[in-house]
Amino acid sequence: DAKTTQPPSMDCAEGRAANLPCNHSTISGNEYVYWYRQIHSQGPQYIIHGLKNNETNEMASLIITEDRKSSTLILPHATLRDTAVYYCIVRERDDKIIFGKGTRLHILP
Amino acid sequence: DSGVTQTPKHLITATGQRVTLRCSPRSGDLSVYWYQQSLDQGLQFLIQYYNGEERAKGNILERFSAQQFPDLHSELNLSSLELGDSALYFCASQRGLNTEAFFGQGTRLTVV
Repeated sequence: DAKTTQPPSMDCAEGRAANLPCNHSTISGNEYVYWYRQIHSQGPQYIIHGLKNNETNEMASLIITEDRKSSTLILPHATLRDTAVYYCIVRERDDKIIFGKGTRLHILP
Repeated sequence: DSGVTQTPKHLITATGQRVTLRCSPRSGDLSVYWYQQSLDQGLQFLIQYYNGEERAKGNILERFSAQQFPDLHSELNLSSLELGDSALYFCASQRGLNTEAFFGQGTRLTVV
């Protein structure tokens, strides 16, 4: 079973930052937070992951609260191509990847 | 392009038949995952292999089986197909166990 809770859907205006929340209140010390997205029916795409520090790469930033019970994925300048289902996944690094229902992000022109 | 290749891209077959889906992982990746995604459904984990050995199993039906070969490619065999087996089947690969997974573009199976 997925260990995370995400809103089923969100809207964001094109050009604005998209902030996608994820609750993982039962996360354990060895578990990382991963984010993937699936655009339409394409294969899921890895975005970013982190343990406790905030992380940034060319696609997004990941902000993890100090108690690690929640996190936020930030897409700094959303475009129409960012319309997708975003999955927040909690797992140990050598564990299988279990997807929940994710958040369907709509980017509005 | 993730570097993970799945063939065929599309497959149409009749109920009761058997099909084989193939996954070629990225060069050097030792771990392979299989997932099923039915229409408007989530990604269901089926099975994971690591360096030829089964590592984890999800809700994979007994009619389904998989294996990973010495050259690390993997095959998912689906038999006695039913209409409800129509779905997208995704494969993903990882370099080791402590790295990110990269997904192929899937095989769309239609059972008629």
